[in-house]
Amino acid sequence: NAGVTQTPKFQVLKTGQSMTLQCAQDMNHNSMYWYRQDPGMGLRLIYYSASEGTTDKGEVPNGYNVSRLNKREFSLRLESAAPSQTSVYFCASSELSGSPLHFGNGTRLTVT
Amino acid sequence: KQEVTQIPAALSVPEGENLVLNCSFTDSAIYNLQWFRQDPGKGLTSLLLIQSSQREQTSGRLNASLDKSSGRSTLYIAASQPGDSATYLCAVCYTGRRALTFGSGTRLQVQP
Repeated sequence: NAGVTQTPKFQVLKTGQSMTLQCAQDMNHNSMYWYRQDPGMGLRLIYYSASEGTTDKGEVPNGYNVSRLNKREFSLRLESAAPSQTSVYFCASSELSGSPLHFGNGTRLTVT
Repeated sequence: KQEVTQIPAALSVPEGENLVLNCSFTDSAIYNLQWFRQDPGKGLTSLLLIQSSQREQTSGRLNASLDKSSGRSTLYIAASQPGDSATYLCAVCYTGRRALTFGSGTRLQVQP
């Protein structure tokens, strides 16, 4: 009963390094999302994919790219990490836009 | 701007007390509203979803209400327990938007 799986759980990067955060869901959901959570700011939407083959920018997309590899997987890439991208990143999925959201356990990223 | 606000940011109550968490939103054109629970270091778990046509939803000791005209939702927790200690987040799916807008959450501590 995995639900939404994110890897890695923790990551430390130096400024300028790149990395990809992986997300997979096994609930056959159509919509997938990437959020970042910062203290006192709630969750902010980075990118989302309403269905396989589509992606759209959210509230804070600068510095990130995404790939909806197939219906199960939605990855988030940081091409050149900056200290401002230190955050906890959450992947989520839902059957359709507006349906109950299911979250992964998050990736805690530190950029030094 | 479509925003979601939760006040207070933190709340401490003795075990057994009934309590109310508040959520306000700036635009009454909503599709639905969801309440989530987040435990430290974990992802979010969906508690209740209220469609825009509904006034309330109940699950066990939890009851969520929705008043679109005043832009408010409340989460009522009956007979609170130490296991209820967590951060509770409110999120709104505004009409025409495909993703949720989150509040910053209320951190609840139930003292034994």
